[in-house]
Amino acid sequence: SQQGEEDPQALSIQEGENATMNCSYKTSINNLQWYRQNSGRGLVHLILIRSNEREKHSGRLRVTLDTSKKSSSLLITASRAADTASYFCATDQYNFNKFYFGSGTKLNVKP
Amino acid sequence: DGGITQSPKYLFRKEGQNVTLSCEQNLNHDAMYWYRQDPGQGLRLIYYSQIVNDFQKGDIAEGYSVSREKKESFPLTVTSAQKNPTAFYLCASTPGGLQETQYFGPGTRLLVL
Repeated sequence: SQQGEEDPQALSIQEGENATMNCSYKTSINNLQWYRQNSGRGLVHLILIRSNEREKHSGRLRVTLDTSKKSSSLLITASRAADTASYFCATDQYNFNKFYFGSGTKLNVKP
Repeated sequence: DGGITQSPKYLFRKEGQNVTLSCEQNLNHDAMYWYRQDPGQGLRLIYYSQIVNDFQKGDIAEGYSVSREKKESFPLTVTSAQKNPTAFYLCASTPGGLQETQYFGPGTRLLVL
């Protein structure tokens, strides 16, 4: 499978703490994206990082990409209860217009 | 109010029945995608279309069919051949080409009676 796989499957933290989730994938990619899904809803794009980038920031989000290890991490700083959701990484398959999603990390931020 | 709309929100299918899920976008995007999501799982690609009148099978196309007669519309039919259709179905679009962000609709939950 080309899918990215997130780790951990579930994460429970207190409001104000940082949350880190990881994604591993198997083959060469053009880019890696992180999405968020609130329960029973569609996915919302958070951030895209290209294969020639190592780190990217967007507000309280920080994404890193290590192509040598085929892995990425998403850090959410100063988490809020509203960050409670499932987070998915998605990788494209090099030179193909398809995306592969992992099974997600379910984040619970307790107020 | 631009975006992707999916209807209905909930759909019930009887044994042996074909049902069609609607997906419409007014983003002028070229590419559209259908995914299936099972509880606690990630998304699996059913079909995708890069341009009008053209589409390709994804990883789990068996028991499904699509059409792309208009740029804005990419309906998915779940046929009676799909023996386990209960799932959450998500439609997405991208402007086209590689390295693009996907925009998702709100999803349709299909249940079997």
